[in-house]
Order: sequence, then C-alpha cells, then structure tokens
Amino acid sequence: DMKVTQMPRYLIKRMGENVLLECGQDMSHETMYWYRQDPGLGLQLIYISYDVDSNSEGDIPKGYRVSRKKREHFSLILDSAKTNQTSVYFCASSFRQSNTEVFFGKGTRLTVV
Amino acid sequence: KTQVEQSPQSLVVRQGENCVLQCNYSVTPDNHLRWFKQDTGKGLVSLTVLVDQKDKTSNGRYSATLDKDAKHSTLHITATLLDDTATYICVVGDRGSALGRLHFGAGTQLIVIP
Repeated sequence: DMKVTQMPRYLIKRMGENVLLECGQDMSHETMYWYRQDPGLGLQLIYISYDVDSNSEGDIPKGYRVSRKKREHFSLILDSAKTNQTSVYFCASSFRQSNTEVFFGKGTRLTVV
Repeated sequence: KTQVEQSPQSLVVRQGENCVLQCNYSVTPDNHLRWFKQDTGKGLVSLTVLVDQKDKTSNGRYSATLDKDAKHSTLHITATLLDDTATYICVVGDRGSALGRLHFGAGTQLIVIP
C-alpha cells in the first residue's frame, strides 16, 4: 500500500514552542523531502534527505532542522516556532531518480500564534 | 524570481466542458515536467510526467504536451466532472536524479460547476 503518512494533520502552537512534524513512507524510498506551501506560492523546499543521516538544506532551511534515523521516517523540527512559520507542510518521497513517481503526504497545517 | 508560471490563476467551467491549463517555465536544465492535482486540503497526486523534447501523454480525460524549445506545457482536461475541481500544479525537474531540484508553479485553481 504505497503511502506517505504525515502526523499530525493539524497543529496549533504558541510562538517560542518547539514543534515536531513526523513523516513516514512504506515504499523503501531513499529520498525524502519537506516542503511548505503558502498561498499564491509554489511549494518551497526546506530540506531533502538522500538516505539515513544524509540530509541537505533546501531553499528555505532557516528556522528548521530535520532528522532521519530510519529510511522510512523523516522528521521536521522547529525549535522555537515563529508566527511566520504558519503554513502547510508537505512531506514527499521518491526513489533516487526524481523523474520517477514522487509521492506526497496529505500535509500538516501548522498555525503558530 | 518565479521560474514556473501557470495560467490562468483560476478558471471556472461548466461540467462537461473542456479546458486547457498552461505552464511556462525558465528552469534550466529541464529534465522532466510533471502535472499534479491537489484537492482542497489534500496532498499532491501525480497525473502525468513528460520527458522528451516534444512530448505528449494521455491519462484518461487528462492529456498533456511539452515543448522544451518553447519551455511550455499544457494540460487538457476533456469532459470535465465536478470531481475535477482542484488546484493543478506544474512542476519542472532540473535533473533526473534526486540531486536535482523540483521547481513548483503556484497552481491553477479549477472550479467545475454543474
């Protein structure tokens, strides 16, 4: 059952709190991604992971960090959340060839108040 | 600067009508182009991928074209259904491997009315 699962789906946090967004996939994909989607903009890449403990900054990594200790699991961490990190966060995964299928999770809507 | 521009920004059609969505890009190199459908509050689902210099694909009522010389792609939806209401996102990959980047358009919001 090819799936990318994100938890939680909705989250409200206060400014300054720590945030953990979790993502899992059951397809043994080497590559996993974290994106954020804001109104009127295309998805923006926060971090990419090529495999366990092989992570690389994307286009907007500031204020975020990631952890990938197992191939099937990729976490996004916000240390001391800010209001401008209110967004919808998407996790995705694919095999190393990005022109093969890319699978997306359903997203996590994070609101920082 | 936005490297993937989609038009129109939004579109309303009546059920049963056909529609065409446009994608222009400046991404270089342009290894492949993919169209995604995003239902409201949901993730992105791939509709088709185009790879060749001049490519055409067909997937049921969805068909797409790519012209890499013009850096232009179209997505045609025939005989629209109410369930086609969604945002359609054009994505250009600058490499065939994960070492490359995926460049996302902001999407075209399609609304199909009865």
